[in-house]
Amino acid sequence: AQTVTQSQPEMSVQEAETVTLSCTYDTSESNYYLFWYKQPPSRQMILVIRQEAYKQQNATENRFSVNFQKAAKSFSLKISDSQLGDTAMYFCAFRVSGSRLTFGEGTQLTVNP
Amino acid sequence: DVKVTQSSRYLVKRTGEKVFLECVQDMDHENMFWYRQDPGLGLRLIYFSYDVKMKEKGDIPEGYSVSREKKERFSLILESASTNQTSMYLCASSLLAGAREQYFGPGTRLTVT
Repeated sequence: AQTVTQSQPEMSVQEAETVTLSCTYDTSESNYYLFWYKQPPSRQMILVIRQEAYKQQNATENRFSVNFQKAAKSFSLKISDSQLGDTAMYFCAFRVSGSRLTFGEGTQLTVNP
Repeated sequence: DVKVTQSSRYLVKRTGEKVFLECVQDMDHENMFWYRQDPGLGLRLIYFSYDVKMKEKGDIPEGYSVSREKKERFSLILESASTNQTSMYLCASSLLAGAREQYFGPGTRLTVT
């Protein structure tokens, strides 16, 4: 069975600084997709970034980037120049085959002014 | 933009009541999903559907059923609500091909008393 683990239930960072959220997963498959989702307080969950396992280059989306270590089965999210609006619950998710996603437990990130 | 809407943001029901949660998406997505979100547990899949009238059990289907009579609409039914079904319920949709990232509704916070 596929599993996703986010070992940091809560994190905090000062505005304008950089923070990294950790995610590890377990699978025996070689082709899969990884995602980071953001759920702001009382707002809709949205996709932040995705990574295809067959791509060696790490995905980036503006201030968000990932460090994808396939051999280590690690997929961390780096947020640069943190903003107050980045305060949210962040979920790591993983898809092997079919359409089902497996989610981690979530990391609550607080950006402090 | 993909839009996924859910019929209620907040719902309070009594134990034993039959509860209907409705979800509608406007992007012609084949897949639709129902999750429940609980603190420390992340998102857990209840049921999903990849086509009209088709459904598959997720990880925690007990106590729930679903209905998909039209492509854009996916309903979650609690036949006899119980207090342990108090939770946040999230609906999502995705395409059947490609990365299949999921697009989420705003969620329904259900309280069963």
